[in-house]
Amino acid sequence: ETGVTQTPRHLVMGMTNKKSLKCEQHLGHNAMYWYKQSAKKPLELMFVYNFKEQTENNSVPSRFSPECPNSSHLFLHLHTLQPEDSALYLCASSQDPTNTGANVLTFGAGSRLTVL
Amino acid sequence: GQQLNQSPQSMFIQEGEDVSMNCTSSSIFNTWLWYKQDPGEGPVLLIALYKAGELTSNGRLTAQFGITRKDSFLNISASIPSDVGIYFCAGRTGAQKLVFGQGTRLTINP
Repeated sequence: ETGVTQTPRHLVMGMTNKKSLKCEQHLGHNAMYWYKQSAKKPLELMFVYNFKEQTENNSVPSRFSPECPNSSHLFLHLHTLQPEDSALYLCASSQDPTNTGANVLTFGAGSRLTVL
Repeated sequence: GQQLNQSPQSMFIQEGEDVSMNCTSSSIFNTWLWYKQDPGEGPVLLIALYKAGELTSNGRLTAQFGITRKDSFLNISASIPSDVGIYFCAGRTGAQKLVFGQGTRLTINP
């Protein structure tokens, strides 16, 4: 496996379900990110982890709960979501978020979430 | 907060035509990135720009970091069907997080 891998690629869940999205990067990067992509809107940054520590929470509702057990893995735990949370959730990684020249993001293919 | 205005929002062109799109901001940026997103995939980096006035090419793609540091341009020459997708600009000021444009959706008629 190379690059950034996200699973599942598609997820349909009810508002009372609990599910998780998984992201794994094989690039040796130190930082990982969750972005939300909705139709006709710019990518919205949700969370940033640097060396497993959360460095940014962009006012995300608590029904989204991130977990970063190590620099290679990132999870997004989902519970009691709303239909407006349906979107493409993109994971990304970068070498060093504090170094402008080395902070190019590599994205995964995304997890398409539909909340019924 | 910082915002990027990307235009046009969509383009419908004939195969073989050249394409131009741009991003502008009221803020000064130190980094400009251009990404392409194919249907069902995540964005893939096309070109990274780090200096005002910098002009960088990647095959048929050319991007420029505006002299004012408030804008960037992406040009695609002699478009082909696989150029279809959504193109995003992204900019950063210093150590701030990346800010993305709304995207330009490119459709090509064969």
